Amino acid sequence: GQNIDQPTEMTATEGAIVQINCTYQTSGFNGLFWYQQHAGEAPTFLSYNVLDGLEEKGRFSSFLSRSKGYSYLLLKELQMKDSASYLCAVRDDNYGQNFVFGPGTRLSVLP
Amino acid sequence: GAGVSQTPSNKVTEKGKYVELRCDPISGHTALYWYRQSLGQGPEFLIYFQGTGAADDSGLPNDRFFAVRPEGSVSTLKIQRTERGDSAVYLCASSPGQGRLEQYFGPGTRLTVT
Repeated sequence: GQNIDQPTEMTATEGAIVQINCTYQTSGFNGLFWYQQHAGEAPTFLSYNVLDGLEEKGRFSSFLSRSKGYSYLLLKELQMKDSASYLCAVRDDNYGQNFVFGPGTRLSVLP
Repeated sequence: GAGVSQTPSNKVTEKGKYVELRCDPISGHTALYWYRQSLGQGPEFLIYFQGTGAADDSGLPNDRFFAVRPEGSVSTLKIQRTERGDSAVYLCASSPGQGRLEQYFGPGTRLTVT
């Protein structure tokens, strides 16, 4: 089957660094994606990893270890506007072309 | 151009009625996905189109749900004999294809079945 786990909630302080972890179990793997979703809005694409290692994009970085079924999203220099849910999604080629999303991690950034 | 658009933004219907939800993807995007999302959960995959054909409809919960994309652009999700459990936000996403897999989501249609 398919299973994606993320912490339900996290809290961090403005200006700090936070790491949001995602573990997955899928029979096939063809990429891991991170999305940001503000309350009441649609998810927006943040990053994509298909090979092991770190992808950096400004204040956001994402890491992947395929052998461990593990990824994290690193947010630096946190701002209040970063308060949102962060969704981890895996593309599983053994389940057609579909994407499986995790439940999301709700991040609260405090002043 | 414009992003993904969905209409209506809100739909309230009575149990047993038929509803259609529309999605206009980003122009030129070959792949189109439908998801539904309940409060506090991640999006749940329903169906994926590559061009006009449904490449994967394994997420459709039962035969009351059907989707079409006749010209490879606009898509319509159709739900027959709606049930209260169908209440959710229905999200549409498109992606460019040609090796680019990131998805661009529309604002969603909030469906409430009373």
